[in-house]
Amino acid sequence: EVQLVQSGAEVKKPGESLKISCKGSGYNFATYWIGWVRQTPGKGLEWMGMVYPDDSDTRYSPSFQGQVTFSVDKSISTAYLQWSSLKASDSAMYYCARRGGGISSWSFDYWGQGTLVTVSS
Amino acid sequence: EIVLTQSPGTLSLSPGERATLSCRASQYVSSSYLAWYQQKAGQAPRLLIYGASSRATGISGRFSGSGSGTDFTLTISRLEPEDFAVYYCQQYGGSSPWTFGQGTKVEIK
Repeated sequence: EVQLVQSGAEVKKPGESLKISCKGSGYNFATYWIGWVRQTPGKGLEWMGMVYPDDSDTRYSPSFQGQVTFSVDKSISTAYLQWSSLKASDSAMYYCARRGGGISSWSFDYWGQGTLVTVSS
Repeated sequence: EIVLTQSPGTLSLSPGERATLSCRASQYVSSSYLAWYQQKAGQAPRLLIYGASSRATGISGRFSGSGSGTDFTLTISRLEPEDFAVYYCQQYGGSSPWTFGQGTKVEIK
């Protein structure tokens, strides 16, 4: 069974750093892109970008380029999303999701349960 | 960046009724690149339809997708209690960002 399990909720202060994780299981983690999606009440679902675990190739949405960093450790089937200096506006639910393969390559076929990030002074 | 506009914002229907949800793109989207998701309160989105009309693994035959070009539709033939949720369309951006619609909430009338 394919599963993506994300790390738990975080409460941080502005200016702090953060790294959240997404661990895949039940499939060959290295050969499927992992995407990150932000969800807020105001903007809905936003595609942040993706990382390919096998070679760490990354694609960032222009809206998030320079604001976050994607990384992976394929030896433990885990992808990461990190911030070096959080802002209050980074408060949101963050999902990792697996990009499908073959004819479903243009969608996300499995999703993590989400990590709620709250940034407040 | 392609903008997806979903309508209506909220659909109030009774169990057993048919639901028709619309997703309109600001420019041409290949049918291969259009997907639909269902999100229930407190849960992650779940893939329903990919390639505009193909059901994802385990998805009930009540759900069907259609459309091409800039106009796409998700139809739920007979609403079951578990179908009341928010539905999002999404397009693959190619060299541009992937984008999602703002969602249609299907609520119990």
